Amino acid sequence: RKEVEQDPGPFNVPEGATVAFNCTYSNSASQSFFWYRQDCRKEPKLLMSVYSSGNEDGRFTAQLNRASQYISLLIRDSKLSDSATYLCVVNVAGGGNKLTFGTGTQLKVEL
Amino acid sequence: EPEVTQTPSHQVTQMGQEVILRCVPISNHLYFYWYRQILGQKVEFLVSFYNNEISEKSEIFDDQFSVERPDGSNFTLKIRSTKLEDSAMYFCASSERRSSYEQYFGPGTRLTVT
Repeated sequence: RKEVEQDPGPFNVPEGATVAFNCTYSNSASQSFFWYRQDCRKEPKLLMSVYSSGNEDGRFTAQLNRASQYISLLIRDSKLSDSATYLCVVNVAGGGNKLTFGTGTQLKVEL
Repeated sequence: EPEVTQTPSHQVTQMGQEVILRCVPISNHLYFYWYRQILGQKVEFLVSFYNNEISEKSEIFDDQFSVERPDGSNFTLKIRSTKLEDSAMYFCASSERRSSYEQYFGPGTRLTVT
């Protein structure tokens, strides 16, 4: 089983739509959770951390279900500029702060 | 806004040559990392570094790789004898403290081994 699993997409949505991405992780010792976005051939950029209580940042809402080892990201009122690959990332407790990345879900927002 | 910087942006080298990739982490950050991403694949952890020593390394980070913080600002990744399969984007990242797991990435160095 992959350490972090995501649907690769692409998700093609019209501007203004709501879109949801899901992610599962295999290591129950995972301690910290993040969503990063990556534009083509660019670096991953931190979008938001994901907390157990769920958290929101503007149009973006992240949820974590530790029991199911499941993370989600909801984007409301999607913009053309949201087009990117969204990376689900986890950190397992340990000495090195190693981040484990999913393969990413590609989002294309269209007019 | 402070950011991680990396040089060069693109490096082309011949198989068997040594390369050094350079990074300047965010100034008040104490933890430093290297990741790589082969084209079309996911981002993979290579190594983490704190207090002038390696904290953790992956299976990819074999004897041909080394890291160094030669001064108060630079953080380098050396590949001693490059192979074709080392061709990838190499990202440097830093975080403020261990308990703050948010890592901030530099723009990357594209390494092409011919």
